[in-house]
Order: sequence, then C-alpha cells, then structure tokens
Amino acid sequence: QVHLLQSEPEAKRPGASVKVSCKASDNIFRNYGISWVRQAPGQGLEWMGWVIGHNGNTHYTQKFQHRVTMTTDTSTTTVYMELRSLVYDDTAIYYCARVGRTRTTMARDGMDVWGQGTTVTVSS
Amino acid sequence: QSMLTQPPSLSGTPGQTVSISCSGSRSNIGGNYVCWYQQLPGAAPELLIYRDRLRPSGVPDRFSGSKSDTSASLAISGLRSEDEADYFCAAWDDSLNALLLGGGTKVTVL
Repeated sequence: QVHLLQSEPEAKRPGASVKVSCKASDNIFRNYGISWVRQAPGQGLEWMGWVIGHNGNTHYTQKFQHRVTMTTDTSTTTVYMELRSLVYDDTAIYYCARVGRTRTTMARDGMDVWGQGTTVTVSS
Repeated sequence: QSMLTQPPSLSGTPGQTVSISCSGSRSNIGGNYVCWYQQLPGAAPELLIYRDRLRPSGVPDRFSGSKSDTSASLAISGLRSEDEADYFCAAWDDSLNALLLGGGTKVTVL
C-alpha cells in the first residue's frame, strides 16, 4: 500500500512555477501533517515547511515563505507544493513526508512515511 | 548552511561500530528532540531514530541514538554492507522556528 504518491518529474524554465502533488491515504490526510523536503543533486536535505491535511494550516521556512505555497484538496486527499520564480538552484528532488499535526509532535516523532520524490529540473 | 554539523564521511569494516556525531546549539538539539534518517543510494530517506533514541518498528537494534547537551550521536554496531548510506540528523530550532537537518554523513563499509 502506497501511503504518499507524488507526481511525475517536471522540467521548467527559470522564472516559471512548479506545482508538485502528493496524494495521501485518507488516514494520513485527515490525521497528520505533510512536510516538504528537497534535495539538490549530491547535496543534503532541506526542510521547506509543512501543511496540515485536514485544515490547510501552513508553516514555511523563512527562506521559502515569499515564493512557496502549500495547499490541500480534501476531495482528493492531495497536498500540493507550488514553488514560484524558479532559479537553477531549485533543481532538486522534492519529497513529501508524513509528520505529526502539531509542531511538538512533528519535532518529536519525525518524518516517518515518505513519498517517492519528484524531480524538478530548472534549465533554459 | 546547516546549523547541525555532521562529519561528511565515515568508514568502517564489517562488524565494527561507527558513531556519527551531530553538533548543534541550545536552540535546537539543546532544547528539542533529535531524529535520524537513513538514505540508501537512489532512495527516499527513512526514519531511523526519533525522540533522541527510539527506533521505529523494523529498525534493527544495531542502530542506537543518544544525546548530551547540544550534541547527538548515532551509533551503528555490527556494521554491515547494507548500512552503506547517507545519514542525517534533524532537530527543531526554536530561534529559526524551523526544522533543521544536518549536512549528512556518508558511511562507507570497507
């Protein structure tokens, strides 16, 4: 059973936007939050922020807050991450991961279920 | 730039014990729980340790986590070839109001 299923790879031009989806199981969507983490080629992991499935509340890191939007669709139990004004350095694998629905539980219990990742390539 | 500092690489022979350090500060490790993730080549990360020292079901007890003051460690005992992977520490940072991840440590089994 796949708990988090992400969308297909994307290729974008600099300045464009990308919207990555993460289809969650009904249980995850209604009872957990979803974090987004990215990994540039050969680099480490970078946390971008998180969204609560059932109410759409969000928290973004300062680095991304001016150009990222995380949304939810309750009808399809899907979470979306849109990143705008893409630059070459946004080329990365973007992962969604299940977390607790509060800051405390997220920090305490970690990201315990991961999507397969979506490769986003920014090139001209 | 990560505020959780890990050694870039470590190596060991089969059966050995290796220990990965993760150094932070009072605003992150010093006041919040630490988690560890394992990322096998070409795969998504997986949770290895949470709440400083607890293992999710299915994680072998060869993996153990500890924390002291503003540093944390992940020990891998009885090192096996399948442990060859990247390992990342993570902790919430109260000053940044964000989840921090270490730069990662590549473990090589010789």
